[in-house]
Amino acid sequence: GAVVSQHPSRVICKSGTSVKIECRSLDFQATTMFWYRQFPKQSLMLMATSNEGSKATYEQGVEKDKFLINHASLTLSTLTVTSAHPEDSSFYICSASGGRALQTQYFGPGTRLLVL
Amino acid sequence: QKEVEQDPGPLSVPEGAIVSLNCTYSNSAFQYFMWYRQYSRKGPELLMYTYSSGNKEDGRFTAQVDKSSKYISLFIRDSQPSDSATYLCAFSSGGSYIPTFGRGTSLIVHP
Repeated sequence: GAVVSQHPSRVICKSGTSVKIECRSLDFQATTMFWYRQFPKQSLMLMATSNEGSKATYEQGVEKDKFLINHASLTLSTLTVTSAHPEDSSFYICSASGGRALQTQYFGPGTRLLVL
Repeated sequence: QKEVEQDPGPLSVPEGAIVSLNCTYSNSAFQYFMWYRQYSRKGPELLMYTYSSGNKEDGRFTAQVDKSSKYISLFIRDSQPSDSATYLCAFSSGGSYIPTFGRGTSLIVHP
């Protein structure tokens, strides 16, 4: 149980375009979803926390107008990287908690974004 | 002092060895202790989750928590090349669902 999927797994886009990443909890209702960014050989950096039906809470230094997060249902959250630039290239990982997984997070497989 | 300290490694061991991975923490409010395994270019996978001090065993994995010393360990018995990954410790307090992660230890098990 506690499976989280993420789509797409990999995306390459041109500078200036927007990219949407989906995160779904497949077998539990995720009251809270998290978005992380990870650079090579670095630990996870929390970008934002979102609760279903509420506005996301962004960590300090994360531009909320650039990284749009929507948590419209208990099983789906989306992260949109608007007007992506090469410095946005990274590994983006979502995670979810809720139900029996209340005090832990279950992670998606990640999305590798490359902005040319 | 950082809230969580974890040696990034890499830690290289021969197949079959017993591996010991460790983290120290400074926040006394932490009540939940977790270990995640992350393969290259994949999301972290929850391995062990514990609430109290003491040992918790799951197959070849044993998680140990010493709250008095603010020290947690993950032991891997009979290590396999497939165990080669980065292991992250994580902590959370009762009032927050947002864990604090260590930077991860890279483990290499060579045949």
